[in-house]
Amino acid sequence: RKEVEQDPGPFNVPEGATVAFNCTYSNSASQSFFWYRQDCRKEPKLLMSVYSSGNEDGRFTAQLNRASQYISLLIRDSKLSDSATYLCVVSHSGGYNKLIFGAGTRLAVHP
Amino acid sequence: NAGVTQTPKFQVLKTGQSMTLQCAQDMNHNSMYWYRQDPGMGLRLIYYSASEGTTDKGEVPNGYNVSRLNKREFSLRLESAAPSQTSVYFCASRAGGGQETQYFGPGTRLLVL
Repeated sequence: RKEVEQDPGPFNVPEGATVAFNCTYSNSASQSFFWYRQDCRKEPKLLMSVYSSGNEDGRFTAQLNRASQYISLLIRDSKLSDSATYLCVVSHSGGYNKLIFGAGTRLAVHP
Repeated sequence: NAGVTQTPKFQVLKTGQSMTLQCAQDMNHNSMYWYRQDPGMGLRLIYYSASEGTTDKGEVPNGYNVSRLNKREFSLRLESAAPSQTSVYFCASRAGGGQETQYFGPGTRLLVL
């Protein structure tokens, strides 16, 4: 079983739609949580960190449920430019900050 | 600032050939990482360097070696390439301390025939 699991998609949505991605992680010792975005044939880039109380950054909202070991990302009012793969990432304790990546969920926003 | 740079961008090797992937960062970061990305697998950590002068194995180190040449540079060497090493390789760096964000280079696409 993969340590971080995501629905691979693709999610095909029209502009303006709201879309939600889910992610589960298996290691209860995971301490930090992130969503990274990866455009086609490009490097991953940090989209946002995920905090226990939930956090929002413009049209993006991230939630964490430690009891269920579940992370979510909600995108409101989707734009064409949101088309990308969204990577769920967790890290364990330790000074070297090892990140564990999910395989990603692909989003395609169409006109 | 260029951020994290990687060379080469593309490479084709024959089985058994060797090569070194280069990575450099100009952000004065302490930690550096090498990942590989395969379809459906997500990024997997090959080796990392928590600070200058140290290196440690990640999840998939077999067939690779690394050198942290100085604070800026972290190279990945394939001594005898195998088709299973066909992948996209990403280098990343992190400031260290309380800073958790990793910054990635543009990647090297490697094909081993």
